[in-house]
Amino acid sequence: DAGVIQSPRHEVTEMGQEVTLRCKPISGHDYLFWYRQTMMRGLELLIYFNNNVPIDDSGMPEDRFSAKMPNASFSTLKIQPSEPRDSAVYFCASSSTGIEQYFGPGTRLTVT
Amino acid sequence: AQKVTQAQTEISVVEKEDVTLDCVYETRDTTYYLFWYKQPPSGELVFLIRRNSFDEQNEISGRYSWNFQKSTSSFNFTITASQVVDSAVYFCALSEPNSGNTPLVFGKGTRLSVIA
Repeated sequence: DAGVIQSPRHEVTEMGQEVTLRCKPISGHDYLFWYRQTMMRGLELLIYFNNNVPIDDSGMPEDRFSAKMPNASFSTLKIQPSEPRDSAVYFCASSSTGIEQYFGPGTRLTVT
Repeated sequence: AQKVTQAQTEISVVEKEDVTLDCVYETRDTTYYLFWYKQPPSGELVFLIRRNSFDEQNEISGRYSWNFQKSTSSFNFTITASQVVDSAVYFCALSEPNSGNTPLVFGKGTRLSVIA
């Protein structure tokens, strides 16, 4: 059974460009989480969805970040415009219960 | 507020030594879950264990064991007879789903280096 799928695995972009990160959760999982990992702040939640509905987006840094979940098998995290301080590894995780979370491989974003 | 503290930033041991990674948590909820994840050099986050607040039994899985003590708010992780493949960053995390705090709150992680 496939795990959480994220794409791209690596993204390098210039400051000011739009970046879209994608996630496909494990089939049947009703919860989807977006986390960001940086050296300074560690692993922190950005937003999570339950049944495609955003439940808590208090971790989204600012209006430049947006996330959507148009259906149960797909979610996007968009940064527009991107800035160098957005450079991080972005993880998507899914869960059937909201308790045990399974993480994707992450997307390493570098904004120059 | 939830908080997870992993006081050990880095640990280095020689292969076959036992090593314990400490985790201390703070919560006001009576129902919560504790987790350990492993992040090897390849970068993925690998789930190791989940514990709920009502189950204080220690758990052993092969060379791994976990000691959960509510009295000291600790959930420590021991690797017995460490191996080079155990080298990774280990994260302790907390969740309070009954309070609406479903997402994981992570500690800063402990980087373990096992030297051959």
